[in-house]
Amino acid sequence: GAGVSQSPRYKVAKRGQDVALRCDPISGHVSLFWYQQALGQGPEFLTYFQNEAQLDKSGLPSDRFFAERPEGSVSTLKIQRTQQEDSAVYLCASSPNGGGQGLDEQFFGPGTRLTVL
Amino acid sequence: DQQVKQNSPSLSVQEGRISILNCDYTNSMFDYFLWYKKYPAEGPTFLISISSIKDKNEDGRFTVFLNKSAKHLSLHIVPSQPGDSAVYFCAASAWNAGNMLTFGGGTRLMVKP
Repeated sequence: GAGVSQSPRYKVAKRGQDVALRCDPISGHVSLFWYQQALGQGPEFLTYFQNEAQLDKSGLPSDRFFAERPEGSVSTLKIQRTQQEDSAVYLCASSPNGGGQGLDEQFFGPGTRLTVL
Repeated sequence: DQQVKQNSPSLSVQEGRISILNCDYTNSMFDYFLWYKKYPAEGPTFLISISSIKDKNEDGRFTVFLNKSAKHLSLHIVPSQPGDSAVYFCAASAWNAGNMLTFGGGTRLMVKP
């Protein structure tokens, strides 16, 4: 079956430009996560959705970052007025159930590599 | 302040020998620990996990050990194979954190034929 897909795979943006990164989770998965992975580091949590509800956005680094999942499936991470420090791989993951039901395995997409010049 | 640390950025092992990857954590609320494997240009894939009520979990060539008092876990791969060459991430989760994962910085394992 299809796994988690992300698009675009690579994005080059000029500083100050807005970008939108898309995540298609595994069909039927309730939970969706966004992580940011800087070069040479592990992924860091950004935000979490349960269906269309954004239950945790504590990891978003600034108000330039915004995520949505309006119909509880596809999610978009938007970064406004990109800065060089935003350069990273943005990973999306989905899991079958919501929180509180024991830990579900998170299935990761291949990521979008964002380079801000 | 890193809550999950992998102090060895890289490890080189001969094929057939044991690989031991280590991970330390500081947050006593963590109650579930996972290892993920990552190949270049791919997302991390789940390898093995362990609940805090256990001290060992085994799956084929992979065994994870948890020492709660030391806040330390390790992944053993026996025997190591060249296809195991990848970056390995340790991750932890707390029951009250909505399944959010906190990752270590990763260890690059190279298994030489």
